[in-house]
Order: sequence, then C-alpha cells, then structure tokens
Amino acid sequence: DVVMTQTPLSLPVSLGDQASISCRSSQSLVESNGNTHLHWYLQKPGQLPQLLLYKVSNRFSGVPDRFSGSGSETDFILKISRVESEDLGVYYCLQSTHLPPTFGAGTKLELK
Amino acid sequence: EVKLVESGGGLVQPGRSLKLSCAASGFSFNDYWMGWVRQAPGKGLEWIGEINQDSSTINYTPSLKDKFTISRDNAQNTLYLQMSKLGSEDTAIYYCAREDNWGYFDYWGQGVMVTVSS
Repeated sequence: DVVMTQTPLSLPVSLGDQASISCRSSQSLVESNGNTHLHWYLQKPGQLPQLLLYKVSNRFSGVPDRFSGSGSETDFILKISRVESEDLGVYYCLQSTHLPPTFGAGTKLELK
Repeated sequence: EVKLVESGGGLVQPGRSLKLSCAASGFSFNDYWMGWVRQAPGKGLEWIGEINQDSSTINYTPSLKDKFTISRDNAQNTLYLQMSKLGSEDTAIYYCAREDNWGYFDYWGQGVMVTVSS
C-alpha cells in the first residue's frame, strides 16, 4: 500500500496566521495519463470529514480561496493563507492513484 | 441536496456479523461509485472499499477483503456493508460516501457507530 506521511502531526497557530501542511507519498501519485489523485479533507471536531481540495489544487464547491494546494509526484502542500476559527480541526490527505486508496495520519490544526 | 444516511450500527459481540445500510437521495445513485470509510475512536480515517455503478467492480483494502462485503441495490438507492467475524479492532464509526470519477469522496454520510464488545 502507498504510505502517506503528513507533517506536522500538530500545528498550533494564531488566528490570521498562514499555515502549511505537508503530505508525502511513498510512491509517485502521477498516473500514466498525467493526472495526480491527491486530495485534502478537513474534519472539524465532532463532524464528518469534508472535502477541501481534489486533484492537488482544485477547490471543492464552497471552499474559501484562502485554501490552496500544490505539489507533484510525491510531495504535496496544503496552505491556509489566513487561519480562521472555522478552519480548526484535523486535516487529512488522501491518495487515490493506487489501490487501495490511503489516507495520511492527519494533522491537527489548533490554537496556540 | 445530496443526502447519505447510514443505519444498522450498534453493539455486537465478537465473532458475530453485522450489516450496515446507507440510503442515498438527492442525486442519481446509479451514476456513481460509492464507498465506505471507517474511523476508530480517536484515530484517523481508513478506506474500506468501493463499488462501481453496476456492481461489476468492487475493491477492498486487502486487510478487510475476507471479512467485509460491499454491495448495492440501485432500485432502492441503497449501499450495503456486510461485516463478518467482527473483532474489537472493528469498533469504529462507519461512513458511506459518494465517489467522484477521480477517486475522491465528495459527499459523506453522518456515520454510524459499531461497537464490538462482549
């Protein structure tokens, strides 16, 4: 299985800060057709996971533009330009290029 | 509005079986792959498996392939997860989710809790 390694596991921030979360895969996530199936989710406390970004950098419907994604091959970054209180929770990356799809362990974004 | 509602969870004894259901509405169910994800208490997300539109392709995470069976009834707009030989390690919230063509889950149910304990 492809191992997804997220860093850091905990990210203390102040409101208004920029935050970056890294996700590294044990294999390249680029398909033969050039598509990269790396996606990001946020799970707020007590809630179900919600899709933020799909295919590296595409924002899902309703996701604010302070969320952005970048990366290629095995290294990916999720950035939040100005953290708001509603952004707190656990962020997960997911790869679906290889079977079985695998999630990262999660990064907890919390207040300092 | 896309809506996914899981049911069938609860307390089950070790070694027993349980079948979860997921009722879908608000979209054309038979046009989408569907899947299951679980989350043990205080832990991260684990992908269980997926099923395509006509049930001709079903994929599982290897460690669960012999215990879990995914199926669907397009006439009833319902997804199922049959779980057998349950152990304490299967205690988790089980989510059903709609899968986009690119392999990500775009809509999730609220989840159903399964507790395996004697």
